[in-house]
Amino acid sequence: TQLLEQSPQFLSIQEGENLTVYCNSSSVFSSLQWYRQEPGEGPVLLVTVVTGGEVKKLKRLTFQFGDARKDSSLHITAAQPGDTGLYLCAGAGGGTYKYIFGTGTRLKVLA
Amino acid sequence: EAGVVQSPRYKIIEKKQPVAFWCNPISGHNTLYWYLQNLGQGPELLIRYENEEAVDDSQLPKDRFSAERLKGVDSTLKIQPAELGDSAVYLCASSLGVTSNTGELFFGEGSRLTVL
Repeated sequence: TQLLEQSPQFLSIQEGENLTVYCNSSSVFSSLQWYRQEPGEGPVLLVTVVTGGEVKKLKRLTFQFGDARKDSSLHITAAQPGDTGLYLCAGAGGGTYKYIFGTGTRLKVLA
Repeated sequence: EAGVVQSPRYKIIEKKQPVAFWCNPISGHNTLYWYLQNLGQGPELLIRYENEEAVDDSQLPKDRFSAERLKGVDSTLKIQPAELGDSAVYLCASSLGVTSNTGELFFGEGSRLTVL
């Protein structure tokens, strides 16, 4: 049973457009991560957020952790074809390292 | 430094046959995870080890799935007998656990199972 719901499930956009992916839960997480996965490979970590309201930027990617630590968002500015992939959020609760993954958002950026 | 190594990369078997997957984590990583991933979906946790101890196996279907991590290093995941619904990618990940600043999970490339 997935406890983290991501939206949208699929997203196809043109190069240069902006987009936001959401990760929502009814549970509180002590830390939340975002991963990107390409076909035939395992997920690769993009960022970890641990403080409610925290905002982190990684080049054109902006990550935000909700104040109540139940939700998060990933915003990509001026998307490029190289951003294509499956984006996954993952949360761990209670100070544990039991990471539960979200349902995933498949992004395709067209040139 | 070598990453997480999994084998085999691909396996095709008939239903009711047994299958085993092997994972070699990054050296020094005490925490090891097995996840199941269906196409286009997020990984689902099957079992988590801290050294050789299975600290979370609540999602492992114990009637047909088993796992072990002898000596707290390599791990194997076994399915016997396999069912059609077991077709998926089985991902192994490792992390430094409590000694990590980011809690980053390092994943292998996965073992893709097809049950016919």
